[in-house]
Amino acid sequence: NAGVMQNPRHLVRRRGQEARLRCSPMKGHSHVYWYRQLPEEGLKFMVYLQKENIIDESGMPKERFSAEFPKEGPSILRIQQVVRGDSAAYFCASSPGFTDQETQYFGPGTRLLVL
Amino acid sequence: AQSVTQLGSHVSVSEGALVLLRCNYSSSVPPYLFWYVQYPNQGLQLLLKYTSAATLVKGINGFEAEFKKSETSFHLTKPSAHMSDAAEYFCAVSDQTGNQFYFGTGTSLTVIP
Repeated sequence: NAGVMQNPRHLVRRRGQEARLRCSPMKGHSHVYWYRQLPEEGLKFMVYLQKENIIDESGMPKERFSAEFPKEGPSILRIQQVVRGDSAAYFCASSPGFTDQETQYFGPGTRLLVL
Repeated sequence: AQSVTQLGSHVSVSEGALVLLRCNYSSSVPPYLFWYVQYPNQGLQLLLKYTSAATLVKGINGFEAEFKKSETSFHLTKPSAHMSDAAEYFCAVSDQTGNQFYFGTGTSLTVIP
């Protein structure tokens, strides 16, 4: 059973460009979470999604950031008009939503560098 | 509201020595508690979790943690450190829905040969 997949693993963007980060949850998992990790810091919650629904986006910046988890395909975290402060590691996690629902399984992360 | 405090951003131990990584939590509801390990440039791997069953929880790689409600603590221990234990360790708390995790700032463990 493959784990949580994220791509790309590394992404370089210039200021003002768009960044798209993808996350495929573990097979059978219907809940997806996005976190951001700044250097020397812990992970900060951004958003929690189920298929076609945003459940909690209390950690998402109000502008430029959006997330989706369509019925088919991976979850996408989209950052428009990136700025240098967006440089960070972005981690996706998934959980099954039933048995063991309280445990989140993490992907390897996407490291975004904004030049 | 929930939060986690990890005391000591850097801990160094000699190979074979006891590992003790501290975690204190704050939660207005019965918490679920987790320890994750992160190796360089990798994602987080679950070490162990407390979900209101036994207060002493055993995890992978010889690690264990004890939930102490009176001390609001969930410290991580390992009797004998191995070089391969060098990594970043994160403590996290959630409510029983697991919908949102709150992470500590992490403790970097160095193992000295």
